[in-house]
Amino acid sequence: DTAVSQTPKYLVTQMGNDKSIKCEQNLGHDTMYWYKQDSKKFLKIMFSYNNKELIINETVPNRFSPKSPDKAHLNLHINSLELGDSAVYFCASSQVPYTGTGRSAQETQYFGPGTRLLVL
Amino acid sequence: SQKIEQNSEALNIQEGKTATLTCNYTNYSPAYLQWYRQDPGRGPVFLLLIRENEKEKRKERLKVTFDTTLKQSLFHITASQPADSATYLCALDGFADTGRRALTFGSGTRLQVQP
Repeated sequence: DTAVSQTPKYLVTQMGNDKSIKCEQNLGHDTMYWYKQDSKKFLKIMFSYNNKELIINETVPNRFSPKSPDKAHLNLHINSLELGDSAVYFCASSQVPYTGTGRSAQETQYFGPGTRLLVL
Repeated sequence: SQKIEQNSEALNIQEGKTATLTCNYTNYSPAYLQWYRQDPGRGPVFLLLIRENEKEKRKERLKVTFDTTLKQSLFHITASQPADSATYLCALDGFADTGRRALTFGSGTRLQVQP
């Protein structure tokens, strides 16, 4: 019973191609995220969705487009792949959204196994 | 600008000893600080969360301290075991430069426990 799953696990593709990564969580969480982990192991947030609504969109090229068909799924579509897109992409989910300025209790994030993208 | 620093060099210790990992930050007002463990080829897994008004938190062999004056958190693993070998990430839950609340990760410190 995988809590957060991603497909595919590995993705090798040519520059200029368009690809998608799928993510599903069965935890009943309201919020889902996409992170990119580069070769230096920095984990950077890309997007956050709460109940199918985009709430965080960091400085990410518009070639990256997240799509949330329902609150259990958050897919990442990447157009015109570039060499610099090579990284590990992690999907995550949490019960509590990161939205405004409140300091209410925050829950932890549950990560998927990652998708290793290599652009040649 | 905001920065989170963890020791980029691997920490090698002998089994049974206490491992201490450091997380320093600048230009942040974190409400919470979290520690995650990441094994090779896997996603991070949550370990502990400590609030800004807490000095210390424990969970089994794990202990986290949080000093908002020094802007530092220490993560301790007592009676370390080879199975504790992994990369440990600290993550600050606070307000980013954008003024929006976010969870921001450090680059992690790799711990190697020798049998």
